[in-house]
Amino acid sequence: GQSLEQPSEVTAVEGAIVQINCTYQTSGFYGLSWYQQHDGGAPTFLSYNGLDGLEETGRFSSFLSRSDSYGYLLLQELQMKDSASYFCAVRDRDNQGGKLIFGQGTELSVKP
Amino acid sequence: EAQVTQNPRYLITVTGKKLTVTCSQNMNHEYMSWYRQDPGLGLRQIYYSMNVEVTDKGDVPEGYKVSRKEKRNFPLILESPSPNQTSLYFCASKTPGRDGYTFGSGTRLTVV
Repeated sequence: GQSLEQPSEVTAVEGAIVQINCTYQTSGFYGLSWYQQHDGGAPTFLSYNGLDGLEETGRFSSFLSRSDSYGYLLLQELQMKDSASYFCAVRDRDNQGGKLIFGQGTELSVKP
Repeated sequence: EAQVTQNPRYLITVTGKKLTVTCSQNMNHEYMSWYRQDPGLGLRQIYYSMNVEVTDKGDVPEGYKVSRKEKRNFPLILESPSPNQTSLYFCASKTPGRDGYTFGSGTRLTVV
């Protein structure tokens, strides 16, 4: 089966850089996605890595290495509003890509 | 505005009383899916639908039913709710060729 592992909590200070890791065990997937969720609200899509390497979107970057079964989300110039839960997710290559599997989430706390 | 709409936002019900949570999207997306979110377990997929009249089980389908009679709607049906179905539920949709899923605002269900 598929599984993704993330740290449960990360704490950082405003203005700093933080990296949230995601390691996975999966037989095949289309790519690694990241979502942000504030206080039980709707998860919102942040980024996607279909290929190995780094993708940059403003203050957020995401990285994937399929050979290492590993990815990460990098948040730069942290702001208080970045305090949220962050989830990595993969779309299973079986079942026509219909299955989306999430990690358990990382709660990021940004301190002043 | 492109969105996924779930109703109701909050629901308290009693064990065994059938209920339906509605989900509607206005983006003409073919793919829709349902998730439940429980503390420490992340988002787990209940059912998904690749298109009209095409549905399949996710990781936690027991106790749930879905239907997809038209593209915009994907209701989640609990025929006989039980307390272990108390959870936060999210509906999501996606368009082919795009990587991000759009989530509804969630339905917080309590079964007593």
